[in-house]
Amino acid sequence: GEDVEQSLFLSVREGDSSVINCTYTDSSSTYLYWYKQEPGAGLQLLTYIFSNMDMKQDQRLTVLLNKKDKHLSLRIADTQTGDSAIYFCAEPDMRFGAGTRLTVKP
Amino acid sequence: DTAVSQTPKYLVTQMGNDKSIKCEQNLGHDTMYWYKQDSKKFLKIMFSYNNKELIINETVPNRFSPKSPDKAHLNLHINSLELGDSAVYFCASSQGVASSSYEQYFGPGTRLTVT
Repeated sequence: GEDVEQSLFLSVREGDSSVINCTYTDSSSTYLYWYKQEPGAGLQLLTYIFSNMDMKQDQRLTVLLNKKDKHLSLRIADTQTGDSAIYFCAEPDMRFGAGTRLTVKP
Repeated sequence: DTAVSQTPKYLVTQMGNDKSIKCEQNLGHDTMYWYKQDSKKFLKIMFSYNNKELIINETVPNRFSPKSPDKAHLNLHINSLELGDSAVYFCASSQGVASSSYEQYFGPGTRLTVT
């Protein structure tokens, strides 16, 4: 199985909040990342969180980190159709999750 | 203006052929990577080079050989292509090495189809 685990699919309605979850394994990770992959494109870094933080907010994005449970989440407020993409969480040693395919319905 | 570029964007070839994918970054980064993304979108690192030296070499068949002529280029050569090699291959670069805080910049990907 994957070292970094994510659920594969998430579907929400436009305007709702989306929460994408990730479980990682390397407790020594200094940073954890969220990448976004739009259809037919490469990955772009969306946001990251330093391991000594519990939360990071950046406009519509909120990252929550629970180091005890090795759980990372990405919340997208007021989700738009343009947010439809695959979201990957990743550890610094380049272990990626399988990606969560977010579909936003109008 | 493209930060990380790959050529070709699409590659269709027959089993048994040898092919190369090229990658160039104009960001002045020290580290470059090759990833393979399969049809289920699983993304796996294959290789990483830092200042032209191999630093990550995951378990990939030795038919895959990366070559870094300089810091700005990391090419991937694949011998004796097999059906299972069909995937999207992404090149990426970063200022520092893996296990650091440096952001990776990804290329647009090369979709390889082996028939």
